[in-house]
Amino acid sequence: DTAVSQTPKYLVTQMGNDKSIKCEQNLGHDTMYWYKQDSKKFLKIMFSYNNKELIINETVPNRFSPKSPDKAHLNLHINSLELGDSAVYFCASSLSSGGTIYFGEGSWLTVV
Amino acid sequence: SQELEQSPQSLIVQEGKNLTINCTSSKTLYGLYWYKQKYGEGLIFLMMLQKGGEEKSHEKITAKLDEKKQQSSLHITASQPSHAGIYLCGANNNDMRFGAGTRLTVKP
Repeated sequence: DTAVSQTPKYLVTQMGNDKSIKCEQNLGHDTMYWYKQDSKKFLKIMFSYNNKELIINETVPNRFSPKSPDKAHLNLHINSLELGDSAVYFCASSLSSGGTIYFGEGSWLTVV
Repeated sequence: SQELEQSPQSLIVQEGKNLTINCTSSKTLYGLYWYKQKYGEGLIFLMMLQKGGEEKSHEKITAKLDEKKQQSSLHITASQPSHAGIYLCGANNNDMRFGAGTRLTVKP
């Protein structure tokens, strides 16, 4: 069983569209994250959720909105996609905000 | 915020050679993590160090955290093509921050 799974793995879409990436973890963790890895492979945190509360929100455009229906899911919704949003987005989870983080396999988003 | 600097940025070694990757923090490390990423895949957790002077090994990979807890090194002994990938160090002080990564290529 995959511990942290995210879908879709690949997504190609046009500028201006709205898209979502789903993430689910079956580890029983209470904190989930979204990271963005750009073309230079820099990995930066975007959001984290702990018990349905947003506890970190970096300088991410408000076009990006995390949605957590329960503590096993943290979906990423992106409005009005821009070319610069093209990147790999990783979902992750940990048992607590200071614990070991386990990553999903990534979602490759290409905006054309 | 905590900054992590990794060196070298990239490394090409011949199969069988030893190598070391370094990670230096701008602040004291209270939890230092090493991950490996293969192209097109997610990050795989390798090991975590917390105590000054701590050393952990997994197969042919050894990671150390110095006594002052501001630097960690990852050492691979007798490298193999399967070791190729991007190695990232991460520090978790309530949120995980990563270094820029070291891209390792192992030539057969």
